[in-house]
Amino acid sequence: AQSVTQPDIHITVSEGASLELRCNYSYGATPYLFWYVQSPGQGLQLLLKYFSGDTLVQGIKGFEAEFKRSQSSFNLRKPSVHWSDAAEYFCAVGANNNDMRFGAGTRLTVKP
Amino acid sequence: DTAVSQTPKYLVTQMGNDKSIKCEQNLGHDTMYWYKQDSKKFLKIMFSYNNKELIINETVPNRFSPKSPDKAHLNLHINSLELGDSAVYFCASGRTGTTDTQYFGPGTRLTVL
Repeated sequence: AQSVTQPDIHITVSEGASLELRCNYSYGATPYLFWYVQSPGQGLQLLLKYFSGDTLVQGIKGFEAEFKRSQSSFNLRKPSVHWSDAAEYFCAVGANNNDMRFGAGTRLTVKP
Repeated sequence: DTAVSQTPKYLVTQMGNDKSIKCEQNLGHDTMYWYKQDSKKFLKIMFSYNNKELIINETVPNRFSPKSPDKAHLNLHINSLELGDSAVYFCASGRTGTTDTQYFGPGTRLTVL
């Protein structure tokens, strides 16, 4: 069965600092991996996705993620965090749109 | 221009009542979904509809019934509401059998008193 683990429930970083949000997955085949962001009171917005090819994926808002098959990970990174990045971040895994499973989310707080 | 819209945004009601949440998408997608996000932010899929047929039902109580009058709409009816139904419900849409992005609505916060 497929599953997604986001080990960090809450992360606090200073504005301008670098960010890495962890995501580990369990899946029986080549996974399709996604990162979504949920701003307070809003729906989910796709940041980036990985299906195949280059394991370093670029997304919107300056985010990137790297697929590491050997570690079953798909960590999200940003070199310099902005205050507007404060939100809830969800990693998801699936074979297609009908088979997506979401992680429990990581809440990001940005300190001035 | 809203891609996926939901109404109402907030819904407060008493236990035992019956309520509905509406969802509409204007993206031309053939599949629509309902997710439930609990107080701990955990997001779980409830249903999906493709071409008016239910294709996923994730052990959701039968008090919940999705109804899709056409490909652009997927409404969620909830009978005999319980306290545990309090959550944020998200509608989403996508294309079946692809890895295209799912687009999410803004959510409906349901509070059962």
